[in-house]
Amino acid sequence: DVKVTQSSRYLVKRTGEKVFLECVQDMDHENMFWYRQDPGLGLRLIYFSYDVKMKEKGDIPEGYSVSREKKERFSLILESASTNQTSMYLCASSFLDRGIRGTEAFFGQGTRLTVV
Amino acid sequence: DQQVKQNSPSLSVQEGRISILNCDYTNSMFDYFLWYKKYPAEGPTFLISISSIKDKNEDGRFTVFLNKSAKHLSLHIVPSQPGDSAVYFCAASVNRDDKIIFGKGTRLHILP
Repeated sequence: DVKVTQSSRYLVKRTGEKVFLECVQDMDHENMFWYRQDPGLGLRLIYFSYDVKMKEKGDIPEGYSVSREKKERFSLILESASTNQTSMYLCASSFLDRGIRGTEAFFGQGTRLTVV
Repeated sequence: DQQVKQNSPSLSVQEGRISILNCDYTNSMFDYFLWYKKYPAEGPTFLISISSIKDKNEDGRFTVFLNKSAKHLSLHIVPSQPGDSAVYFCAASVNRDDKIIFGKGTRLHILP
């Protein structure tokens, strides 16, 4: 079974803190993604990475950065947390060339982050 | 600009009947379409996908239909069961791009 594991289910942080959200996958997937889910807005892509040390901005990258030093691990960093970053954060992974090796991305269980 | 649109925020269907969830897209470059199901406090789980070279894909109670000329796809669930109550997300991607773009979701309520 594919496993995508996010390090925390729930986090509470203070405004201005630096926050790290970690994600690990065990399927040797090339692609990894960070989304946030907010009511009425669906899943919005923050960043994705298609290889180690490679990253591309998604639709809402402002206020976030990412790190991919190893293939299995993709970190989302909030440099200075703000209350509008309170959200559910979801990590996902998939194969590159998904048309050949499978089309779907697999998600972690999510991290509910509250910034106070 | 929203590339994947789910215009119905919610849908209620009687148990045993057919549930039809709709999705429209604007980017003609999309070549893969996916449906995900999400329960509260859990990550989305993959349901079914369809390539743009097909117009129908079936997996058990779930069937996805793709109408490329209308840039429209739909997910049919027959028969609907109580465990189907969840939020359903439509998603699309351009294969060479690898980004997966999601709609806002439709909350499906299965009524007893």
